[in-house]
Amino acid sequence: QQQVKQSPQSLIVQKGGISIINCAYENTAFDYFPWYQQFPGKGPALLIAIRPDVSEKKEGRFTISFNKSAKQFSLHIMDSQPGDSATYFCAAGTSGSRLTFGEGTQLTVNP
Amino acid sequence: GAGVSQTPSNKVTEKGKYVELRCDPISGHTALYWYRQSLGQGPEFLIYFQGTGAADDSGLPNDRFFAVRPEGSVSTLKIQRTERGDSAVYLCASSLSSGSTGELFFGEGSRLTVL
Repeated sequence: QQQVKQSPQSLIVQKGGISIINCAYENTAFDYFPWYQQFPGKGPALLIAIRPDVSEKKEGRFTISFNKSAKQFSLHIMDSQPGDSATYFCAAGTSGSRLTFGEGTQLTVNP
Repeated sequence: GAGVSQTPSNKVTEKGKYVELRCDPISGHTALYWYRQSLGQGPEFLIYFQGTGAADDSGLPNDRFFAVRPEGSVSTLKIQRTERGDSAVYLCASSLSSGSTGELFFGEGSRLTVL
């Protein structure tokens, strides 16, 4: 019930391309779905987050698409840049409480 | 400092020893979390404090792990009789009160290696 499944495990994209990472969850009580970005040797940092009352949220080049009936959500990175190369984690939880993280996607954007 | 501070950044110890890891959250953040991250994995929840009390300690793997936050600010994660399987990066995060958006601010972690 607490699991969050993330795919793919790794992703290689050319500069300017679109990066897409997918996540699925089981617990219907989850009401907060953030994406975190982590660079080597650093802690994860919030990138963008969505709540289940909307189906899409866009911030700059980053978009979350949310499908409540399918219990799935995804991160799209438009015009991917080499500086976007990092590990991305989806997560799910309830506000103010624990977050359950996916296993991560290592994104490499080639110049 | 402005962010979450964790010390030590690296700790190497021998199997069976006792270890303490410290977390200094962002000033004014009442919620504090400990996560453990193994190589190539996502952060795994350990314990969550709201103020001084542990609101959820269901992620602690066994009774060798214990955490305190006596004054509602700094927290210490304590690991007794360390085992090689405890080797990981221990991440601390803080956030505003439970009524917030839920954003967690993470420190850079304490890398624990048990030989």
